[in-house]
Amino acid sequence: GQQLNQSPQSMFIQEGEDVSMNCTSSSIFNTWLWYKQDPGEGPVLLIALYKAGELTSNGRLTAQFGITRKDSFLNISASIPSDVGIYFCAGQLTMNRDDKIIFGKGTRLHILP
Amino acid sequence: EAGVAQSPRYKIIEKRQSVAFWCNPISGHATLYWYQQILGQGPKLLIQFQNNGVVDDSQLPKDRFSAERLKGVDSTLKIQPAKLEDSAVYLCASNSRGLQETQYFGPGTRLLVL
Repeated sequence: GQQLNQSPQSMFIQEGEDVSMNCTSSSIFNTWLWYKQDPGEGPVLLIALYKAGELTSNGRLTAQFGITRKDSFLNISASIPSDVGIYFCAGQLTMNRDDKIIFGKGTRLHILP
Repeated sequence: EAGVAQSPRYKIIEKRQSVAFWCNPISGHATLYWYQQILGQGPKLLIQFQNNGVVDDSQLPKDRFSAERLKGVDSTLKIQPAKLEDSAVYLCASNSRGLQETQYFGPGTRLLVL
């Protein structure tokens, strides 16, 4: 079946650093989604991308939908302690009422004291 | 506005036992989803309901998993009998119009099968 490769698997950074993570797939999607999940909670949507090449920002977060429709990246600028958590990408294919959504395995962000 | 509610939050059972999870979606949301999230993985969609009808259950292990949404509001997910590999967080999500719209997730039920 379809799979998403999300990298890196985990990151250890200093507060204030910028962060970059990405997802790639062997299949195309028509929507890319980025979620954040805190411990004991469900994922919360950060950014949704609907068009190849689209670059969207949400505060310190910026995400892009790759031109090939097979990849996406998420950048976080000037990280702060509350950015700690697991970030998931999800690719979505909506076609002829046969909608599919697939999540990556997550990038675990740790901020060093 | 109240979010998606799930219960119980935690459940520990022995293999071969049965277990049921309950989800109350956001009021007015016609679409309801159940996901399985194994430790270290992203969520995997098990089943999607539109009102009380099943839209997609292609990844639901139907030999042991079942789900229903009889009145198109609350939903229950059942595992019978449970296996060790069913240990996971079971997430419920809802929205109004299917996957083309933002999903709102509940906090999940953490299941441990011993």
